[in-house]
Order: sequence, then structure tokens, then C-alpha cells
Amino acid sequence: QQQVKQSPQSLIVQKGGISIINCAYENTAFDYFPWYQQFPGKGPALLIAIRPDVSEKKEGRFTISFNKSAKQFSLHIMDSQPGDSATYFCAATDRPLNRDDKIIFGKGTRLHILP
Amino acid sequence: GAVVSQHPSWVICKSGTSVKIECRSLDFQATTMFWYRQFPKQSLMLMATSNEGSKATYEQGVEKDKFLINHASLTLSTLTVTSAHPEDSSFYICSAINGQASSYEQYFGPGTRLTVT
Repeated sequence: QQQVKQSPQSLIVQKGGISIINCAYENTAFDYFPWYQQFPGKGPALLIAIRPDVSEKKEGRFTISFNKSAKQFSLHIMDSQPGDSATYFCAATDRPLNRDDKIIFGKGTRLHILP
Repeated sequence: GAVVSQHPSWVICKSGTSVKIECRSLDFQATTMFWYRQFPKQSLMLMATSNEGSKATYEQGVEKDKFLINHASLTLSTLTVTSAHPEDSSFYICSAINGQASSYEQYFGPGTRLTVT
């Protein structure tokens, strides 16, 4: 199957807290897992991405945890800030060097950080 | 670097008319571009994959005669919504792949909001 399942659909976190968004996939051929951040009325922007040869990748306050055996990956936003309020999409694709590859998107998580 | 622009950013048209949306890669050559549509509070839905100099590949359920895609140069792809109807109102987003880069990455445009009255 090609789909990527994302949860929760919406998330409210206090400022300074940790935001956690989870995704699961079926297709074992997927080997590139990006996360996108989208603000209202804007296109998505790449936030962070991981390949399955590592279990974790950290960039600033954003961390991806990857569990290849469980076919799950998650985004952790540490010290969440009101400016992080946006919709987050996990995604997956295979054969990352093939220019025609499609990105399969999760349904998105609307994150709201309370000031 | 890797900037993708779209024009217009929003457009209102009357039912039955056609509207063209442009997607440009500003600082790289995009051998492949993708067109998505996104309804409010929903995910991105891939409409078609566009390769420079060849016909676009449409996803199942997307009418190729209604959504005309042209990728005539390495920096420009256009999406024309023909005989638009209110149900075509949506947020249209393009993305582009840098054909000269060794790593896979899709760079997204800012989107075009289409409203059909």
C-alpha cells in the first residue's frame, strides 16, 4: 500500500512543551521520509527529513525518530513556540534519486501552541 | 537557493472560463515539476507529474482535458484549468525537482488560490 497514516489530526500544546506527531507506513520500499510545515495560505516547506539508515535526526528543536522494524516515524518539536503553530505533514517516497518519484503525504496535523 | 514561484497567488474567475497558473523555478533547472491541489484542512493531492519536453502524467481520476499541463522549458510549467466550475475552487501548489542536484528534494511553490464563481 502507498498510504502514510498520520496522527493526531490536531494537537494543542502549551508553550515550552514537546509536540509529538506520529506517522506509520506500509510500503517497505519507502526510504526517504520528509516532514513539511505549512502555514495558512502558503505552500509546504521542508522542515527535516530522514533516511532509514539512521534512527534519529535532530535539527535544532526538531527531531525525527525512526523505527524501521515498526515502520513508524515521528516528529518531536522541543520547547514548542507559538510560531510553530502550523500544519505538519509527514511524507514518504522511494528510490530517492529517481526524479519522477511521487511523495506520499500523510493527512496532516494542525498544531496549535498556546502562548 | 531553490526558490519556486507561482503566479498568480490568487485568482477569481467566472464559471466556464479558463485560467492559467504558472510555476517557475527561479534559480535552478527543474526537469520535473509536480502539480497538487489542496482543499481546506486537507492534505495535498497529487494531480500530475510534468517532465520538461514531454507529456504530463496524470494521476487516476484527474481529467487531463480539464487540467492542461505544459512544461515547455526547464524553468516553467503551466497548469490551465479549462471551463472552470465552482468545484474546481481550490489551492493549487506546484513543486519542482532540481535536475542538477544529486539529492532528491521537491521544492514547493507558495500556492495559487483559485475561486470560481
